[in-house]
Amino acid sequence: GAVVSQHPSRVICKSGTSVKIECRSLDFQATTMFWYRQFPKQSLMLMATSNEGSKATYEQGVEKDKFLINHASLTLSTLTVTSAHPEDSSFYICSARRSTGREQYFGPGTRLTVT
Amino acid sequence: DAKTTQPTSMDCAEGRAANLPCNHSTISGNEYVYWYRQIHSQGPQYIIHGLKNNETNEMASLIITEDRKSSTLILPHATLRDTAVYYCIVRVLRGGSQGNLIFGKGTKLSVKP
Repeated sequence: GAVVSQHPSRVICKSGTSVKIECRSLDFQATTMFWYRQFPKQSLMLMATSNEGSKATYEQGVEKDKFLINHASLTLSTLTVTSAHPEDSSFYICSARRSTGREQYFGPGTRLTVT
Repeated sequence: DAKTTQPTSMDCAEGRAANLPCNHSTISGNEYVYWYRQIHSQGPQYIIHGLKNNETNEMASLIITEDRKSSTLILPHATLRDTAVYYCIVRVLRGGSQGNLIFGKGTKLSVKP
């Protein structure tokens, strides 16, 4: 299957700072990328969908000014958590899909801890 | 909201077949059935998908009932490394929000020695 990477795998930051998470599709071009969040012992929750070169579409209840998404190229999407607070501590997972593909591939996830 | 229902948890003996059921009684004619699994603290892994015919690949088999209201994922010879949460998801193959993968609670499969 196709490979999606995320960086960093773990990050600890102080409350009030911003954190950027990168998601890359390593061996295919991803026209659509997705960002999910997963709290402990819960399922994945879709936060937003982005298409290359256009603005992200956020799910209801997700603050677009807090979770900035940039899908600048067909292989890279970034999620920036601005002014992070302890309640933003979570497992963030990105996913990528080809324009013609039926499969959607997931990255390994980024564990964010805000102290 | 997820459009599927799965048992919360299941156990399976190592080496035996694991049969994971999924109910999707409101599935539409253009919706596919997808299965993913998530091993602890990792991203989900694609397993298999199908529309109405049974499907098989190197990981698993997918059996879809004739009325498409339910399906079963079969891991033919479960190993300890198959211990994970298994998600059954229905989605259409098109752009826009209708094509998004929406995860339910899944089934926690524990493979025991």
